[in-house]
Amino acid sequence: DGGITQSPKYLFRKEGQNVTLSCEQNLNHDAMYWYRQDPGQGLRLIYYSQIVNDFQKGDIAEGYSVSREKKESFPLTVTSAQKNPTAFYLCASSGGRNNEQFFGPGTRLTVL
Amino acid sequence: GENVEQHPSTLSVQEGDSAVIKCTYSDSASNYFPWYKQELGKGPQLIIDIRSNVGEKKDQRIAVTLNKTAKHFSLHITETQPEDSAVYFCAAGHRDDKIIFGKGTRLHILP
Repeated sequence: DGGITQSPKYLFRKEGQNVTLSCEQNLNHDAMYWYRQDPGQGLRLIYYSQIVNDFQKGDIAEGYSVSREKKESFPLTVTSAQKNPTAFYLCASSGGRNNEQFFGPGTRLTVL
Repeated sequence: GENVEQHPSTLSVQEGDSAVIKCTYSDSASNYFPWYKQELGKGPQLIIDIRSNVGEKKDQRIAVTLNKTAKHFSLHITETQPEDSAVYFCAAGHRDDKIIFGKGTRLHILP
């Protein structure tokens, strides 16, 4: 998985609780991304960050928040405002000569 | 913004035959077209990509073609093997910025 770790692999939360998903990379990449994957929907961009202390909303940012205090870390918080949070969440980073995106193994969040 | 359409959503081919997956994009400014393979329960892995300054790229059994005028690009897998069974995603965008993904194609290789 290219030096990107996501934890935990499976996460269960009760409805109405906020939950934070971890993403760490040791590739020295400047840019990091969060995607949500639902069956038949492909990958949809939630937030992305091209540099430390800066981030932009993706296509489905409502109900989510992020921070980028360190180059290596880009945590995603799924808030209680997210109406349908159960999904597979993927983190990616890009940088280096070719700037291609490398993905982590994903976190499957289930809200009960 | 960019919109990427991918077809078919499901594809079954006999082992040893070829598989072709097609994508179209809407933003003529897009210049980077990667393809990812995702196995069950794992994150996607880049298998091949193409920049807008070339029309075709090949890597062993995998090839990608790009038609900028028509705004479509395709993935070709020859001599398919059981380990090629997976979900494949195309994407379009800019190499230094965000990319937009298609909805994926589930490829089944039949014995």
